[in-house]
Amino acid sequence: AQSVTQPDIHITVSEGASLELRCNYSYGATPYLFWYVQSPGQGLQLLLKYFSGDTLVQGIKGFEAEFKRSQSSFNLRKPSVHWSDAAEYFCAVDSGGGADGLTFGKGTHLIIQP
Amino acid sequence: DTGVSQNPRHKITKRGQNVTFRCDPISEHNRLYWYRQTLGQGPEFLTYFQNEAQLEKSRLLSDRFSAERPKGSFSTLEIQRTEQGDSAMYLCASSLDGSSTYEQYFGPGTRLTVT
Repeated sequence: AQSVTQPDIHITVSEGASLELRCNYSYGATPYLFWYVQSPGQGLQLLLKYFSGDTLVQGIKGFEAEFKRSQSSFNLRKPSVHWSDAAEYFCAVDSGGGADGLTFGKGTHLIIQP
Repeated sequence: DTGVSQNPRHKITKRGQNVTFRCDPISEHNRLYWYRQTLGQGPEFLTYFQNEAQLEKSRLLSDRFSAERPKGSFSTLEIQRTEQGDSAMYLCASSLDGSSTYEQYFGPGTRLTVT
């Protein structure tokens, strides 16, 4: 069965600084990979996705992620964070074309310092 | 299109009572998913419908949990004889079968508190 690991439970970043959130997955083949963001009281919003092709994918709100097959990683990055980026971030994998649902990591809580 | 909606947003119930939650997916989406999210965890997949057919239900947490999607549109998730451990956020998502990307769009969730 596939699994997703987000090793950082909390990350604190100063406003304007760069950000990298780590995600590692376990799956035999190349899965479909996603990053979602969840703000308090809100549902999950899709930031970006990887299926195939270019390993550097661009998403909404200035986020990007890079798929590295050799490291089984899909890390999320942003060059300059804004206070509004404070939220919970989840990495997820879909190995069954949707039929098995998404498998999520435990999430990384992002705190922005002024 | 207003996205995926869920009702109620909050539900407080006493242990042993039955509860039912509703999910209305994005109108053209034929796939519908239910997840449970407990505090400090990512969402956990429960079940999945394609149109009105429930194609995966082995991940439902116990036989107290059941879901329906009678006309292939909205869905309900019922929990019978609730227990305190059922307290969680219940999320619904929908997607379009045949889409090349299998993106799931999530609703705001129903927060259940069992006292």
